[in-house]
Amino acid sequence: DTAVSQTPKYLVTQMGNDKSIKCEQNLGHDTMYWYKQDSKKFLKIMFSYNNKELIINETVPNRFSPKSPDKAHLNLHINSLELGDSAVYFCASSRNPGTGVGQYFGPGTRLTVT
Amino acid sequence: DQQVKQNSPSLSVQEGRISILNCDYTNSMFDYFLWYKKYPAEGPTFLISISSIKDKNEDGRFTVFLNKSAKHLSLHIVPSQPGDSAVYFCAASVTGANNLFFGTGTRLTVIP
Repeated sequence: DTAVSQTPKYLVTQMGNDKSIKCEQNLGHDTMYWYKQDSKKFLKIMFSYNNKELIINETVPNRFSPKSPDKAHLNLHINSLELGDSAVYFCASSRNPGTGVGQYFGPGTRLTVT
Repeated sequence: DQQVKQNSPSLSVQEGRISILNCDYTNSMFDYFLWYKKYPAEGPTFLISISSIKDKNEDGRFTVFLNKSAKHLSLHIVPSQPGDSAVYFCAASVTGANNLFFGTGTRLTVIP
């Protein structure tokens, strides 16, 4: 069984569109994350949620809005997509917030904005 | 500002030899360090970690060394196997925070 799953795996869309990426974890973890890996392979945290509450919000444009309907899901909605949003987005989860350790990652969603 | 750096984007090693991957960090508040391994089209998977109270942690063929004074850590893989070929990310965190800071990764190729 997949521990952290993301859909879709690939997403190609045009500038200006709105898109969502879904993430689900079946590990019973309380904390979930979204990371962005840019073209330089730099993996950087965007958001962190603990029990459906936002606890980390790095400097990310307001066009990005995470939504956590329950602690097993953390979806990422992106409005008015721009070329610079092209990247691989990874969802992750962990049991222990506050340590940053033991994070389990999903397979990633490769977003291409044309 | 990148707080965790992996200055070698790639490394090639013969099967059976030792692979040494290096990582430097700038934030002296970091007190927990991790290595992740990533295969193509997959997410990073946790490999090994070390707390700042230690200078070495070993798990099978993998050993991580921490030099706090130099703000440097390294991952040793011995003996290297072709299945070890992947991208290795170094990461660091501060206990109490909820954030992992990643390096840009080193692509290891183990040549059979």
